[in-house]
Amino acid sequence: DQQVKQNSPSLSVQEGRISILNCDYTNSMFDYFLWYKKYPAEGPTFLISISSIKDKNEDGRFTVFLNKSAKHLSLHIVPSQPGDSAVYFCAASVRNYGQNFVFGPGTRLSVLP
Amino acid sequence: ETGVTQSPTHLIKTRGQQVTLRCSSQSGHNTVSWYQQALGQGPQFIFQYYREEENGRGNFPPRFSGLQFPNYSSELNVNALELDDSALYLCASSPFASGVTDTQYFGPGTRLTVL
Repeated sequence: DQQVKQNSPSLSVQEGRISILNCDYTNSMFDYFLWYKKYPAEGPTFLISISSIKDKNEDGRFTVFLNKSAKHLSLHIVPSQPGDSAVYFCAASVRNYGQNFVFGPGTRLSVLP
Repeated sequence: ETGVTQSPTHLIKTRGQQVTLRCSSQSGHNTVSWYQQALGQGPQFIFQYYREEENGRGNFPPRFSGLQFPNYSSELNVNALELDDSALYLCASSPFASGVTDTQYFGPGTRLTVL
């Protein structure tokens, strides 16, 4: 039973346009969410996070939106660049229970020049 | 500042064998977590070590065990290897702050193939 779902295995976007990656979760105890980016032959690298007390967090070209009632979060990348092509993982955890992150299966983003 | 390193990069074993994977934490980090990433899936939490003690475990059998050393480096040991253990094994370190979930810094992983 997947607690964190990323229903789009892949996404292609034109350079300069917006990329929207979606993530759904089932465990209402999750209160901290992160996005990681992974290039081939490298470990995942932290991109952006959001706490459940917020509904939006922005960092440069990256914005994460959290809809707690829908148990849904999304990552917006504007504008998309070819270097953003990677696999993006959504991860969730329960604060005060250590750092046991539950990861989604990932979405492969391809930004076309 | 040195990042998280893992060794070896690749490993091939046969079913029933035992394997040890190694991880060196990022400088200043006292917590290390291990994840298994099967093909086409996200990383799955195996366990975490904080100051040489296990600090949480995922849904993995006891044949997956670990160690953390005084310098905060870590080992993952898997006994009685099964074909389904073939995966990328990721180590992640972080500075542990009690009650706060912090970000983790991942190593590049060890690709284990079990034949």
